[in-house]
Amino acid sequence: DAMVIQNPRYQVTQFGKPVTLSCSQTLNHNVMYWYQQKSSQAPKLLFHYYDKDFNNEADTPDNFQSRRPNTSFCFLDIRSPGLGDAAMYLCATSFLASLSYEQYFGPGTRLTVT
Amino acid sequence: DQQVKQNSPSLSVQEGRISILNCDYTNSMFDYFLWYKKYPAEGPTFLISISSIKDKNEDGRFTVFLNKSAKHLSLHIVPSQPGDSAVYFCAAGFYNQGGKLIFGQGTELSVKP
Repeated sequence: DAMVIQNPRYQVTQFGKPVTLSCSQTLNHNVMYWYQQKSSQAPKLLFHYYDKDFNNEADTPDNFQSRRPNTSFCFLDIRSPGLGDAAMYLCATSFLASLSYEQYFGPGTRLTVT
Repeated sequence: DQQVKQNSPSLSVQEGRISILNCDYTNSMFDYFLWYKKYPAEGPTFLISISSIKDKNEDGRFTVFLNKSAKHLSLHIVPSQPGDSAVYFCAAGFYNQGGKLIFGQGTELSVKP
């Protein structure tokens, strides 16, 4: 089945220790998104890639970076995680040339910062 | 400034009855709206969408209504089933912004047998 895969599902990192979260997709979608969701809050878009074009949200902290080496993979790098970065990180994809704009989500990575 | 709001954090409904989930938005320029369902330990899954030029869209037990003058949309689930118990998010987007979505905080629906 075509899908969006996130690894790992659970990640524990230490305060200030860089961490990378991974997302891959078999849908061949041209757009990949990263969202941060804290408990009982709305998922918040951090940035997205439209093909190779990177689009950062204005309020995304510089501590968050992303890479998309190819169509299938996208990474979220947190350079110096703080306690406030503990959250669920959701990766999503969409195919904008289609008439529908729904996004397909992975299961998420729950990040704990100790 | 939260552009999409779901003011009810939770809703409890009896099996077989109608569930109505509500969502309000502030930006009249949104081009489309979507509803997602999320089970614990899973990512959100797409349920149904509606274009801003329409006022109703139906898919099986799910119907979304859009009231542009009130900047309000609602999701009706009829009849409700225990398997519908999940968190429901509404989201809104613009055609010219790379498909990015702005989400509400979610409403947890509990359907009791």
